Amino acid sequence: AQKITQTQPGMFVQEKEAVTLDCTYDTSDQSYGLFWYKQPSSGEMIFLIYQGSYDEQNATEGRYSLNFQKARKSANLVISASQLGDSAMYFCAMRRPISSGSARQLTFGSGTQLTVLP
Amino acid sequence: DTAVSQTPKYLVTQMGNDKSIKCEQNLGHDTMYWYKQDSKKFLKIMFSYNNKELIINETVPNRFSPKSPDKAHLNLHINSLELGDSAVYFCASSSPLSSRGSPLHFGNGTRLTVT
Repeated sequence: AQKITQTQPGMFVQEKEAVTLDCTYDTSDQSYGLFWYKQPSSGEMIFLIYQGSYDEQNATEGRYSLNFQKARKSANLVISASQLGDSAMYFCAMRRPISSGSARQLTFGSGTQLTVLP
Repeated sequence: DTAVSQTPKYLVTQMGNDKSIKCEQNLGHDTMYWYKQDSKKFLKIMFSYNNKELIINETVPNRFSPKSPDKAHLNLHINSLELGDSAVYFCASSSPLSSRGSPLHFGNGTRLTVT
């Protein structure tokens, strides 16, 4: 079974600094998708960034980038120039290929609570 | 606004009662989901529907029954509520797979408290 591991329950970063949130995954699939979501204290789940397993370049979306190291099975989220509004819970997630019998659902890690300090 | 909307936002009820949570998406997506987020923030898939057909039913007690009257709606009915059912329930939807990964779009969640 696939597994997503986020080893940092909590992280602190100074405003305007960059921060890396770790995510490792375990799968025997060759094709898969990796996602990051943000959950602020208000509770909604916000999609941030996606990386396909066959994508050769690391995904970027504004201040978010995904450091994808396939051989190490890691998909770390990098947030540049942190802002106070980045304080939230961040979840890494994975989707298996349809061929595996997956129904396109995402499997989530346990999350990392990021606090940005002024 | 295009979105996934679920109601109610808060639900407080007593043990043994039956309750429903409604979910609607106007994104034109073909797959809808129910997730449960527990007190430790862990998100777990409960159900997945594709074009009104159930395709995932994880190890969820049969007190939980999803119903999809059409592609845009997926409601969750819970019978004989128990204390352990207290959690935040998220509805989500996704489109057919695309180069952008077809991420799940989530509703704002329903916080269920069973007393």
